[in-house]
This record gives sequence, C-alpha cells and structure tokens, in this order.
Amino acid sequence: EAGVTQFPSHSVIEKGQTVTLRCDPISGHDNLYWYRRVMGKEIKFLLHFVKESKQDESGMPNNRFLAERTGGTYSTLKVQPAELEDSGVYFCASSLPAGPSRNEQFFGPGTRLTVL
Amino acid sequence: RKEVEQDPGPFNVPEGATVAFNCTYSNSASQSFFWYRQDCRKEPKLLMSVYSSGNEDGRFTAQLNRASQYISLLIRDSKLSDSATYLCVVTPDSNYQLIWGAGTKLIIKP
Repeated sequence: EAGVTQFPSHSVIEKGQTVTLRCDPISGHDNLYWYRRVMGKEIKFLLHFVKESKQDESGMPNNRFLAERTGGTYSTLKVQPAELEDSGVYFCASSLPAGPSRNEQFFGPGTRLTVL
Repeated sequence: RKEVEQDPGPFNVPEGATVAFNCTYSNSASQSFFWYRQDCRKEPKLLMSVYSSGNEDGRFTAQLNRASQYISLLIRDSKLSDSATYLCVVTPDSNYQLIWGAGTKLIIKP
C-alpha cells in the first residue's frame, strides 16, 4: 500500500513569491493534516481536513496560507506571498476515520521550503 | 510554558544499555498519547501509542501517569539503530491535532 506522498520534496523560492505544496494521503483516509516544523522548534499543527471540509484550521499562521482539498482526495497548501519565516519542513499526514483515541497519523516525507 | 516538554538531550548511551525518557504535558484533558521516532531529515513515524495501563512492544515500554501528567519511554538492550529523535505527542480533549514535544535526541554508541 502506498504511503502519504508529498511534492515537491524541496522548494527554494524568493521572498514574495508563491509556492504550492501538494499532499496525496493514503487511499481511504478521510482525515488529512498539515504540520510544519521551523528550524529549532517543535512540529506545529496547521490544519485538519475531514474529506473536503476544514475541520480545524486553528494552527494556520495567517491569511498568506491557503489549504484546499477539493474532492476530498489530495490537498494543496499555498503560501502567497512567501516570507522568510515561512521556511521549514511542511509535513502532511493522514488517518482513517476513527476516534481520536486511536488516531494513528501516517506522515509523508515532508516538503523542505526555503525562502530566501 | 510549552504544552509538551521533553529533555532535548542528547542522551549518549552505550549499545546494550537501558535508557528512559520522560515527557510532561500541561493539558490535563489530553486524551491520547504517543511516542514518535524521527530519523535525521525523515518524517516522524509512530513508535507506539501510550495507554493508561502501560504497554510494551518488544524492547520498548511506555507508561502514562495521568495524575502527574507525564509519559515515559523505556528502551531496553539498546541497538545502534535506535539512534534517533524521540518525540512525545499528545492530543487535546476531543481534537485530532497532535501536540508535539521538541524531541529527545538519542545516540547509541558501539
């Protein structure tokens, strides 16, 4: 079974540019999550989709970040315009439609974003 | 105060030794608890869930103390391949989001 995949693996852009990250969850996983780790800090939650609906976007840092999951399959995370502090590793994860007490989330390899 | 606190280490441990990590969490309503393992420049992977009764998986034992709000991970007979960063993770009340500690780095030396 294929795991969570993310594209691109690395992205280097200049401040002010736009970048779109993509995540393909494990087939059948209704739950999809975005997390981010900036250098020297812990991984932070960004948002959670259930199918195509945003269940929780409390971790989104500001309105420069836009996440979508049209059709409830893959998801995109767009940063526009990118700022220096957006640099970090963006992880996507997915999980089965189960209760939180058994909420094993499977992670993709991450996208390493560098904003110059 | 951080929601999940861990000693960052590194813990330098000889091969074959036993090592233990602790982690404390601030939200007493937290529902689920996990240990993830992350190798350098890789994604985190679930090592084990932590249940109130404690649980064991081979050389790994996890314990949860709700009263004191801490979680522990014990690794017995450590292997070189156990070298990694171990991340303590909790989920708050009824939410699905994972709250992460910064991780404890473990280095197993031959």
